[in-house]
Formats: sequence, structure tokens, C-alpha cells
Amino acid sequence: KAGVTQTPRYLIKTRGQQVTLSCSPISGHRSVSWYQQTPGQGLQFLFEYFSETQRNKGNFPGRFSGRQFSNSRSEMNVSTLELGDSALYLCASSPQGNQPQHFGDGTRLSIL
Amino acid sequence: EDKVVQSPLSLVVHEGDTVTLNCSYEVTNFRSLLWYKQEKKAPTFLFMLTSSGIEKKSGRLSSILDKKELFSILNITATQTGDSAVYLCAVLSSGGYNKLIFGAGTRLAVHP
Repeated sequence: KAGVTQTPRYLIKTRGQQVTLSCSPISGHRSVSWYQQTPGQGLQFLFEYFSETQRNKGNFPGRFSGRQFSNSRSEMNVSTLELGDSALYLCASSPQGNQPQHFGDGTRLSIL
Repeated sequence: EDKVVQSPLSLVVHEGDTVTLNCSYEVTNFRSLLWYKQEKKAPTFLFMLTSSGIEKKSGRLSSILDKKELFSILNITATQTGDSAVYLCAVLSSGGYNKLIFGAGTRLAVHP
């Protein structure tokens, strides 16, 4: 079974630009969650989607948004990029309910 | 505020040693506790614990949860250089759907 796939693997952007990251979950998984990982803050929850609905959102500004499609694939968008947005963005999927989340390799975003 | 605290933050051992990693938590409506191993990329799932006192084992790794004292330990016996990684503890609460709250991680280095 293929794992969680995230694209692109690396991105370099400049301040003020926007970016879209993509995540394809494990086949059959309907829940997709996004996390930001930085050396200073560790892994922090961004948001979670289930059946195309956002069920929970972390403590991030409105510049961070996402969506989920009918095939469970998800995208997250960051607008008006800031230097502090440089991080590894991880996507995780799970079937539903109280089950383990499995992570993709992440997208490393660097802001110049 | 929900929080997860891991100790120690870093650990250096020699091959063959046994290590114990600690995770304590304060979470509203606890549902489960998960352990992940992160090398260079995706955190990989190790264990999911929901009930107190039941040890989970996988090869040289084992973990147990104490819901009364609000902590979990991860044991690794006969360590190998391939065990070198960051070990992450995360907690799932029932009110947060699939929102994982992560600790800062324990960085384990196993020297030959």
C-alpha cells in the first residue's frame, strides 16, 4: 500500500508570495491533518479535514488555509509568506476515529 | 492548556545499552497516546496506547501507559546505531478529532 505522498518536496519562496502544498493520503484514509515543524516550536497542528470538512484548526493566522477534495486529497495554502513560515510541513492521514496517523515525508518550505 | 512533556531532551548511549524515554501529559479528555520515531523525514508510527498497564511490544521496543499518573515510557533494549533518531510522544484528546499534541521529542544518539 502506498504511503502518504506530499508534493513538492522542497520549495523556495520570497516574502509576500503565496504557496500551495499538496497531500495524497493512504488509500482508504478519509482524515488528513497538517502540521508545521520548526526547530523552535516542534510539531504544531495546523488543521484537520474529514470528508471535505475542516473539523479542527490550530492556533495559526488566517493566512494558513486548506481544503480537501472528494478523493480525500488535500491542499494547504499559505498567503503573504513571512520569514517565520520557513518550516517542514507534514501531512498525516488516518482512516477515521481513534486510529494512528501516518505521516508523509513533508514539504520543506524556505522563505528568502 | 493541553501539554506534553518529554524527558530527557537528548541522550547519548553506546550500542547494547537499554534506554527509557519518558512522556508526561496534561490533556483534557485524553483518548490515546502515540509514539513516533523521526529520522530525517517522516515520523514513523511505533505504538498507540489507550489503556493503562498494558505493555505493547515490537521487537526490542516496548511501551506502557499509566493513566492515573499521566505518563508513558518507551523502552529500547540492546540499542543499535539504527535506533538513533528523535522519538516523539503525542496525545490525542476526544474533543480534538485528529489533533495530535506533540512533545518536544527526545534525541537519541547510539554510538558504536
